[in-house]
Order: sequence, then C-alpha cells, then structure tokens
Amino acid sequence: QKEVEQNSGPLSVPEGAIASLNCTYSDRGSQSFFWYRQYSGKSPELIMFIYSNGDKEDGRFTAQLNKASQYVSLLIRDSQPSDSATYLCAVRETSGTYKYIFGTGTRLKVLA
Amino acid sequence: DVKVTQSSRYLVKRTGEKVFLECVQDMDHENMFWYRQDPGLGLRLIYFSYDVKMKEKGDIPEGYSVSREKKERFSLILESASTNQTSMYLCASSGVRGYYNEQFFGPGTRLTVL
Repeated sequence: QKEVEQNSGPLSVPEGAIASLNCTYSDRGSQSFFWYRQYSGKSPELIMFIYSNGDKEDGRFTAQLNKASQYVSLLIRDSQPSDSATYLCAVRETSGTYKYIFGTGTRLKVLA
Repeated sequence: DVKVTQSSRYLVKRTGEKVFLECVQDMDHENMFWYRQDPGLGLRLIYFSYDVKMKEKGDIPEGYSVSREKKERFSLILESASTNQTSMYLCASSGVRGYYNEQFFGPGTRLTVL
C-alpha cells in the first residue's frame, strides 16, 4: 500500500516565524510532489509543486525534495495569520494513471 | 484560470434516496476525480475517469457509481444514500499534457444524509 505521511499537528508558530511542514512517502519511484493549502470548509488549492531534488522557491514558500530519503517539505517564511490552514502533501502515482496519493494534512496555526 | 464547479455547496438527503452530484470543468482536462473527505481520514478517492465513458474504481467505490458522458462533466451517484455517506465530496480534474498534471479542485459539496 503506497502511503504519504504527515504529522497532523497542530503546528503552532508565532507571526513572522518560519513554519516547516514535512511529508514522507513510501513509493521510491514517485516523480511529482505537490503541496495544497486547505482553509476550513474550503477545497484544497495548489500552492507548490516540485519534481527535482533540492529547493524550489515561490515567494514566501519553499518546497524541498530529497528523493533518497523520500521526504518533501514546505517552508513558509514570515508566517502570517492568514497562512493558518491545513497543508496537504500529495504524490502522483508512478503507474501512469494520474492518480494522487494524499497525506492527511498538517494543521498550521500562526499566532498573532 | 481553471474552473471546476460542483452543482451544490450543501445538500441534505434522506436515507435510501438516490443522490446525484455533478461536476463540470472548463479546461478540457482528460482526467476527473471524485473524493470524499472526512476528519482524520484525509482525501479518499472514490472513482476517477481518464476519458469519456471510461472509469476506474478508487479506494472506496462501494455504494457509489459514476457517469461521464461528456468530457467536461463527471457525475457521482449514490444509489441509495446512507448516513455513513455524510461527508464533504470534492471533484478534481487534471490534464495529461505537460509534466506535472496537477489536480484542480471544485468548491466541494457537503452532503448530509438523515
């Protein structure tokens, strides 16, 4: 059974700090990795994707991928109360079906 | 801008009723997905479709069926609604051209079965 694991949290950080969210996956052949943000009562929205080892930056967000260790992380710099949400990690299956495997999400709380 | 729309934001049905949830996407995406989301269980795939009239079971297809007669529309059908199908239902779509093929979600339908 292919799995994507995340700590459910909540992860609490003060406003202005760096929030670090982590995700591990079981399928060593996985190629594409995604981070979604989901506000309470809303649907997930894509914020980052990454497929190469290393870092990918987009504004205050940085995705980090380490395929050898099978983990992907999301850093949020200068965290704002509006970043408080659940962050879902997703990995695209390698079977060519375009299916995703989602983690259960990490709840982030940014304290003002 | 990718747009995925769902027919209802909130729906209340009675046990035993047949329920139709509709999803429409406007980006000419080949793939469409139906998930349900429950607290602590995350997103669970019910069915997906990679082409018109094609469908594949996901992880929890029991009690559900789907229909895809047109490329832009993917319907989820609860044949006989039960209380354990009370949940948030999310539709998503993705393309096949390009490398990432990220999924875009609709706003969700919160279904309550009484």
